[in-house]
Amino acid sequence: EPEVTQTPSHQVTQMGQEVILRCVPISNHLYFYWYRQILGQKVEFLVSFYNNEISEKSEIFDDQFSVERPDGSNFTLKIRSTKLEDSAMYFCASSEDKSTEAFFGQGTRLTVV
Amino acid sequence: AQKITQTQPGMFVQEKEAVTLDCTYDTSDQSYGLFWYKQPSSGEMIFLIYQGSYDEQNATEGRYSLNFQKARKSANLVISASQLGDSAMYFCAMRGNFGAGTTVTVRA
Repeated sequence: EPEVTQTPSHQVTQMGQEVILRCVPISNHLYFYWYRQILGQKVEFLVSFYNNEISEKSEIFDDQFSVERPDGSNFTLKIRSTKLEDSAMYFCASSEDKSTEAFFGQGTRLTVV
Repeated sequence: AQKITQTQPGMFVQEKEAVTLDCTYDTSDQSYGLFWYKQPSSGEMIFLIYQGSYDEQNATEGRYSLNFQKARKSANLVISASQLGDSAMYFCAMRGNFGAGTTVTVRA
């Protein structure tokens, strides 16, 4: 069964460093998403991506964040100059269409120290 | 903008019984979809069931069913014949907006 894969599963980084979280969406999906879930809290939408550009983003997704689809398979989230409060689980998801269900990857747990 | 409300932070249910998780939403869109996801303690997000706003029938998927009341803007999830493995956090979502979640604990 096709699935969304995320790497790494856990990343520890120093405050102020840049991190890149990687995702491989399901191959025939056209919409890609990043979400964040701070431990014990709700799932927060960050950004959606379609046709090689951002289609929607939340207030959380400020200049510190960027997304890219560098090739035909990968979808990355870059966080510049990480802060302690960026520590969270980051989920990538993909869907065939914006109104169909999104399938989630297993998440990357980011710890900023 | 869409808003999802889940008012039950936690629910306890006896094994083999049914449980209903509430979800109300607010949207000005005419066409939309509602999703439910399960997040076990291991952290992954598992898609459970989808309801389209123009679907004539309530969605069902195995032991999961949706009680969709469009006029009331509610899409409650019903889990029938609860199992111990159903203990998890459950999220209602629409177009990327997630509710706060409901923790379900199934008791033996």
